[in-house]
Amino acid sequence: QSALTQPASVSGSPGQSITISCTGTSSDVGVFNYVSWYQLHPDKAPRLMIYDVSNRPSGVSNRFSGSKSGNTASLTISGLQAEDEADYYCSSYTSSSTLYVFGTGTKVTVL
Amino acid sequence: QVQLQESGPGLVKPSQTLSLTCTVSGGSISSGGYYWSWIRQHPGKGLEWIGYIYYTGSTYYNPSLTSRLTISVDTSKNQFSLKLSSVTAADTAVYYCARGPYGSGFGPWGQGTLVTVSS
Repeated sequence: QSALTQPASVSGSPGQSITISCTGTSSDVGVFNYVSWYQLHPDKAPRLMIYDVSNRPSGVSNRFSGSKSGNTASLTISGLQAEDEADYYCSSYTSSSTLYVFGTGTKVTVL
Repeated sequence: QVQLQESGPGLVKPSQTLSLTCTVSGGSISSGGYYWSWIRQHPGKGLEWIGYIYYTGSTYYNPSLTSRLTISVDTSKNQFSLKLSSVTAADTAVYYCARGPYGSGFGPWGQGTLVTVSS
C-alpha cells in the first residue's frame, strides 16, 4: 500500500488561504469518506484537525476545512496565521489489509 | 480531557525487543468504545500506522509488522503496550500512541518517544 501523495511544501502570507492536496486511489480516498488531517509541530503532540473528510473536532479553528473530489482530498487553511506553520499529514482508510495509510506530508510555511 | 503519554527505553540493540507503554489519563481506556493505536514516524519520513487494540484485547496489526508485533492492554492501569521483536535499524522512529481510529480519525495523540535501534 503506497503512501498518499501530498506536495512537499506549501507557503502563504499571513491572512491568505492555502490548500494542501492529498491524492490517493480508488482503493482509499476515492471510495471511502474516511480521510483525516493532522498537524505536527516539533516537540508537540500531533493534532487531529479534520476527520471523515470535512468534520472538525471540538476546539479546532473553523479556519481549517476539508473536502474531497474523486481520489483527491484537500485541506484548506484560511486566514493563515504564524501558528499554522507546521507539517500536515492526511490519512485514509484503505481496502487493503494495511487498513490506514498516511500521506507523504506537507510543510506549511507562513511567509 | 484525555491525554496520552508514551514511555520506554530510547535505545534498543539490534535483534532485541522494543517495548513501549502508553498511559492514558483523563478517561478510562475501557469506556467509550474507542480503539487505541500505535503510529510511528521514521526520521525525516512520513507516518506509519502500526496497529490498534480494543479494551477487550482484540487487535489488528499492520500486515508488514504482524510477525514481530504484539499490542496488549492493561485496563487496571489504564495502559496499552507495544512489543516489537527482532528490531533492526529500520525500526528507528518516533513512536506515538493515539486514541482511535474512530471513523477516520486518530486523536488525541501522545507527544511521541524516539526509539533508536543501535548497538
